[in-house]
Amino acid sequence: QSALTQPASVSGSPGQSITISCTGTSSDVGSYNLVSWYQQHPGKAPKLMIYEVSKRPSGVSNRFSGSKSGNTASLTISGLQAEDEADYYCCSYAGSSTFLYVFGTGTKVTVL
Amino acid sequence: EVQLVESGGGLVQPGRSLRLSCAASGFTFDDYAMHWVRQAPGKGLEWVSGISWNSGSIGYADSVKGRFTISRDNAKNSLYLQMNSLRAEDTALYYCAKEDTAMVTFDYWGQGTLVTVSS
Repeated sequence: QSALTQPASVSGSPGQSITISCTGTSSDVGSYNLVSWYQQHPGKAPKLMIYEVSKRPSGVSNRFSGSKSGNTASLTISGLQAEDEADYYCCSYAGSSTFLYVFGTGTKVTVL
Repeated sequence: EVQLVESGGGLVQPGRSLRLSCAASGFTFDDYAMHWVRQAPGKGLEWVSGISWNSGSIGYADSVKGRFTISRDNAKNSLYLQMNSLRAEDTALYYCAKEDTAMVTFDYWGQGTLVTVSS
């Protein structure tokens, strides 16, 4: 159960697009289309932004999009805004017969 | 409105035990799987444990297997985490999270309860 690998930090200017990668293995990201992304502002609980690789919950801006190729999932934020500055975590289901989830190492997004 | 309120955290010595609780409201508790996720100070999220709606399926992270026990009482709309043989590395903010059955992800989170393991 190793954590999924994310870049420690990503930055961009307002209006730009950024992409955060999330690399796992064939036992987690590569096996299931059950990758989620969470946004966490300082001192706050995580907020679900993307589920099942690319689906957005109701109320989440369409500036957030997700994708997956092989063992790597990605979150893209387009039209970067100041309020997007936060920590982002990916998460993948990893269990075949029981509950098992693994989170990514987390990425700090800075809006320049 | 979905609400998840954790309690039971505090300062505990290494090797001792602690029991966390999560009171749920605003949804039909016994329809959903529930989870515990923790976050060490200044660190990332770590899934700890999950339990199905009827307690028939349970899972643990390797880091807590054999020391932590998850349970639920559907009559009381409550989720629990019994933590034994606590270690310094268990120090974290422990979140209770609801799993959305269709999305297979954590759609609602509590605000967390802080567990500090120190002598």
